[in-house]
Amino acid sequence: KNEVEQSPQNLTAQEGEFITINCSYSVGISALHWLQQHPGGGIVSLFMLSSGKKKHGRLIATINIQEKHSSLHITASHPRDSAVYICAGRAIFGNEKLTFGTGTRLTIIP
Amino acid sequence: GAVVSQHPSRVICKSGTSVKIECRSLDFQATTMFWYRQFPKKSLMLMATSNEGSKATYEQGVEKDKFLINHASLTLSTLTVTSAHPEDSSFYICSAADGAYGYTFGSGTRLTVV
Repeated sequence: KNEVEQSPQNLTAQEGEFITINCSYSVGISALHWLQQHPGGGIVSLFMLSSGKKKHGRLIATINIQEKHSSLHITASHPRDSAVYICAGRAIFGNEKLTFGTGTRLTIIP
Repeated sequence: GAVVSQHPSRVICKSGTSVKIECRSLDFQATTMFWYRQFPKKSLMLMATSNEGSKATYEQGVEKDKFLINHASLTLSTLTVTSAHPEDSSFYICSAADGAYGYTFGSGTRLTVV
C-alpha cells in the first residue's frame, strides 16, 4: 500500500465541469503539496498546505489533518487544465523529502 | 516566484558516453536539491538528495558511481550519468526546497541513449 494514494487515477470531464481529485496519506507529514505536470514534463507547484484551505484562481485545495485527506478542486474546468496532478507529503522529520502519490491524469474535453 | 533552470531539456547520446544535467536556482539559494527519475506514466522516483558542500545521499538501489551528483554552490547542482546505456533513457527532473515557496522544480531533461 502506498503511503500517499490518489483517486481517481484518470479523470475525463467536459469543459466547465467542477473537478475534484482526492489524496489520502498514511504517514505523518508537515505539509501536503499539490503539483501539476504538463505533457512536456515540467512540474509546477500549485499549493503547499499544512491546514485548512487555499485558493488560487480557479483552483482550491483543502486538507483535513485528522482524517489525513486532501482534495484539489478545479472550478469551471478548461482544456488547458488537462495535466497530471500529483499530491506529495513532506516528511515531518529528516531532509525535506517528498512522498508522491501516483498522480491523476485529468483530461478536459472542449 | 522561485525559479529552477534545468538544462538541457533534451539530450540524445551514444551508449557509453556521459551526460551532464545542470540545475540552477535563479533567485534563491538552494541548500538542498533533489534529483528524480520518471518512467513513462509513472510517478517521480527520488534518486538522491544533494546538499551544498557535502556528499549526496542516494536512495536504495541507485548507483552512486553511475549517477554522479555535485552540489558545489548554493545555486548549482549537477547530475552526471556516466557510461550511459539505453536503460538509462528516462526523464530526469530536479527540485529545490525553499522555505518561502515550498518546492520548485526544474523543467526536466529527457535523456535518450542510443
